[in-house]
Amino acid sequence: GDSVTQMEGPVTLSEEAFLTINCTYTATGYPSLFWYVQYPGEGLQLLLKATKADDKGSNKGFEATYRKETTSFHLEKGSVQVSDSAVYFCALSGPVISGGGADGLTFGKGTHLIIQP
Amino acid sequence: GAGVSQSPSNKVTEKGKDVELRCDPISGHTALYWYRQRLGQGLEFLIYFQGNSAPDKSGLPSDRFSAERTGESVSTLTIQRTQQEDSAVYLCASSISGGVSEQFFGPGTRLTVL
Repeated sequence: GDSVTQMEGPVTLSEEAFLTINCTYTATGYPSLFWYVQYPGEGLQLLLKATKADDKGSNKGFEATYRKETTSFHLEKGSVQVSDSAVYFCALSGPVISGGGADGLTFGKGTHLIIQP
Repeated sequence: GAGVSQSPSNKVTEKGKDVELRCDPISGHTALYWYRQRLGQGLEFLIYFQGNSAPDKSGLPSDRFSAERTGESVSTLTIQRTQQEDSAVYLCASSISGGVSEQFFGPGTRLTVL
C-alpha cells in the first residue's frame, strides 16, 4: 500500500540555518504530494503541495520539489526563524483503501522542528 | 464558522463505554474526512464522506467504529465499547470538493480511555 517515510525528529537548528526535512514515498500511480504544518496549540494546516512530477511547491520561504525518479519530496528553507518551530508532516493523496476510491491522505509520522534563537 | 470545529476537545472515558465525537466542517465543503493520530504515530485515515455518503468504510479499525454525516454538514464518529488502544487524537478535515483540493483540519478531539 501507499506509505510516506520522513526523517525522525526532533530536529534542532539555530536561527538562520538551512533546513532540509527528508520525505520519501511509495505509491501506485501518480499521487499528489503535500507538506502540512502544525504550530504549537494549533491545528494542521497546508504548507505547500505539488501535483505532478517536477512541480515545485512553495510558501512562506519553504520549498519542495516532486521528484518522481527518487520518489522524494524534501522540504527546504534557506533561513529558518524561531517562528518556524512546529511539527511538519509529509503526505500524499490517492486511494488509501484498495478499490475504494477514497480521497484520504497518507501521512508520515511527522518531524518536530525546534529553532533556537 | 470560519474553520472546522470539533467537540469535545478532550474526552476521558472508561473502558467499555461508548463515545461520540462531533465535527462541524466549513460551510459548503462537500468532502469530510476523519483521521486518528496515536501517540508517536502519523495520522491514520479512517473514513471519507462525499456529501452524506461514505463510499468506503473499510478504513475504520473495527466494527466498534461507525460514522455518519447528515445534511452534508455535521459528522459524528461513534466508538462503541471503547478499548485502551482507542486512545488517540481524532482529527476531522473538510475540503471544498475532495480529490486534491486542500483539506482544512479541525483542532481534534483527544480521547483517553482508562
